[in-house]
Amino acid sequence: QLQLQESGSGLVKPSQTLSLTCAVSGGSISSGGYSWSWIRQPPGKGLEWIGYIYHSGDTYYNPSLRGRVTISLDRSKNQFSLKLSSVTAADTAVYYCANYGDGAFDFWGQGTLVTVSS
Amino acid sequence: SSELTQDPAVSVALGQTVRITCRGDSLRIYYASWYQQKPGQAPVVVISGKNNRPSGIPDRFSGSISGNTASLTITGAQAEDEADYYCNSRDSSGHHLVFGTGTKVTVL
Repeated sequence: QLQLQESGSGLVKPSQTLSLTCAVSGGSISSGGYSWSWIRQPPGKGLEWIGYIYHSGDTYYNPSLRGRVTISLDRSKNQFSLKLSSVTAADTAVYYCANYGDGAFDFWGQGTLVTVSS
Repeated sequence: SSELTQDPAVSVALGQTVRITCRGDSLRIYYASWYQQKPGQAPVVVISGKNNRPSGIPDRFSGSISGNTASLTITGAQAEDEADYYCNSRDSSGHHLVFGTGTKVTVL
């Protein structure tokens, strides 16, 4: 059973870069058949897919994030990361990491709140 | 279109049946998956693919598709089914994922 755990700064200043990491246990991020995603949820609002990275390293991002997002793998640590640049208050949200396999997000982290404020 | 549209809220009497719909052009090509989210918790997948229930999901949850509309049906709703429900699928390009707008289900 996969387990995912987000970590990173909970407070980011406007215009700076948000950085989060998702540690994966119970399986390898290098395994084929899965992709590794970031999803966010602003307070009181719905879910928004941010992007994912395949085990191969190929990435796909939500077009609405206009080139601000980067997702990467760290195979040595069995984790993947999110960087979101030029943040504003609109980026305040609970950020989830999740794996995507066979058409569904099967396993999720518990989520971490990131607040953008000076 | 890359949008998936859901009704904002539905209510159902305890023990009755409720259908939650998700509309989008990409659903003519790709299946939807469905997620239940309770306050303060991460979402949990309840249906994926044509109508697949992960282990531990009660069989009162079922999925279907017709044209551009995917549906999640709860047959015999229980108090613990009160939650927000989101659909998810790929957009028409096939490379990007998109969530529906979400439906709040209230069990009366």
